[in-house]
Amino acid sequence: NAGVTQTPKFQVLKTGQSMTLQCAQDMNHEYMSWYRQDPGMGLRLIHYSVGAGITDQGEVPNGYNVSRSTTEDFPLRLLSAAPSQTSVYFCASNPSPRSYEQYFGPGTRLTVT
Amino acid sequence: TQLLEQSPQFLSIQEGENLTVYCNSSSVFSSLQWYRQEPGEGPVLLVTVVTGGEVKKLKRLTFQFGDARKDSSLHITAAQPGDTGLYLCAGVEGTSYGKLTFGQGTILTVHP
Repeated sequence: NAGVTQTPKFQVLKTGQSMTLQCAQDMNHEYMSWYRQDPGMGLRLIHYSVGAGITDQGEVPNGYNVSRSTTEDFPLRLLSAAPSQTSVYFCASNPSPRSYEQYFGPGTRLTVT
Repeated sequence: TQLLEQSPQFLSIQEGENLTVYCNSSSVFSSLQWYRQEPGEGPVLLVTVVTGGEVKKLKRLTFQFGDARKDSSLHITAAQPGDTGLYLCAGVEGTSYGKLTFGQGTILTVHP
């Protein structure tokens, strides 16, 4: 198993550009989520999904869209990038919403200029 | 959103010393997790504590969940350079165990 994979590893965007951060897991996990990590602030939940076709907002959803068309994939879309979205983004998966196990991907470092 | 205050933010010690990292909240969490993160990688789950007063040990690491389930601590005995990294506590709200509230993190550096 590859676990949780994220692409790209690094990305530089100009303000106003859009892009999609990819996340995939091959563990057949129901639950997937996106976090952003900023210095001194830990990780903050952006969006999450309890299964294919079901998504919900986390703590900091503004400026981001998600969809979950398959169990494996959970892409995060930035609609119009802003410098405040410069961060490291982590995707995570759980076997189910009621499981304590949590697996994080390696992260995508995004810089918006 | 429940908040978790983690302290200290930075810790620089010599090999062989003991240390404790604290994670505190004014709110009750149903469970609490501790993660370790290396530079350029995602957090890796170390332990989950569920019951108030629970103590778990992982080799030289001891994790405790407060009786009221509002706080937790991580104690490392005889720290080694390999313990260097970012330690994060994360609280679970209700029964959505994948929906975590993270503390700010503690950057630990253990010097040989």
